[in-house]
Amino acid sequence: IAGITQAPTSQILAAGRRMTLRCTQDMRHNAMYWYRQDLGLGLRLIHYSNTAGTTGKGEVPDGYSVSRANTDDFPLTLASAVPSQTSVYFCASSELAGSTDTQYFGPGTRLTVL
Amino acid sequence: GQNIDQPTEMTATEGAIVQINCTYQTSGFNGLFWYQQHAGEAPTFLSYNVLDGLEEKGRFSSFLSRSKGYSYLLLKELQMKDSASYLCAVRDSNYQLIWGAGTKLIIKP
Repeated sequence: IAGITQAPTSQILAAGRRMTLRCTQDMRHNAMYWYRQDLGLGLRLIHYSNTAGTTGKGEVPDGYSVSRANTDDFPLTLASAVPSQTSVYFCASSELAGSTDTQYFGPGTRLTVL
Repeated sequence: GQNIDQPTEMTATEGAIVQINCTYQTSGFNGLFWYQQHAGEAPTFLSYNVLDGLEEKGRFSSFLSRSKGYSYLLLKELQMKDSASYLCAVRDSNYQLIWGAGTKLIIKP
C-alpha cells in the first residue's frame, strides 16, 4: 500500500513557466489538500477538495489552481511560476469522516523557482 | 486573526523527559493535533485531543486545556530518533487545520 505519492520529488523551474505537481492516493479518502511549507512558518493550506468534483480555496490560493476529476488524483498547477513560490509542497488526504479525521501526508515536492 | 505559538527550538538529553508547549487562538475549536516531522520528510500523526485532559500513547502523551487555549506534548525516555520537529495544529470552525511553525527538538547523548 503506497498511501500518498507525489511527483516530482524535486524540481527547478524558470520563472514564468507552467508546472503541475502530481498527487495520488490509494486509500479512497474523500478529502485531499495541498499545503506549502516555508522555513519559520507553519504549513499553509493552498487548496482543498472535500470530494471528487469539488474544490475550495485555502489560506494562500493565489497563483495556484487544482482539479479533482476522481477520488485518487489531486494535481496542483502553477500557471506562471514566480520565485516566491519556491517552497516544499505537501499533499495530504483524510477520510473526512469521524471526529478525528486525521490527515496523512505525501513525501513532498521541493520546488525552486529561479 | 488565528495564531498558534510554539517554541522554535528545544534541546534535551537522551533518556530524559521533555514538554513541548502550544498555545492557540483560533476561530472555533474542533480538535488539536500533534505531528512529528523528521528533516526532509513528511509530517506523521502523533496524537489528537478534543476534550480536556491527558491522552497517553506509549512514550508520548498530549494534554489539552480548552479554557486556556493550551496544549503540551510530553515525550518520555527520549531516544536519539526523537530528534525532529513537532507540529501543533488546531482544527477551526471551518474544519480547516491551522498549523504552528513547529518546534525543533534536538536530543543530545
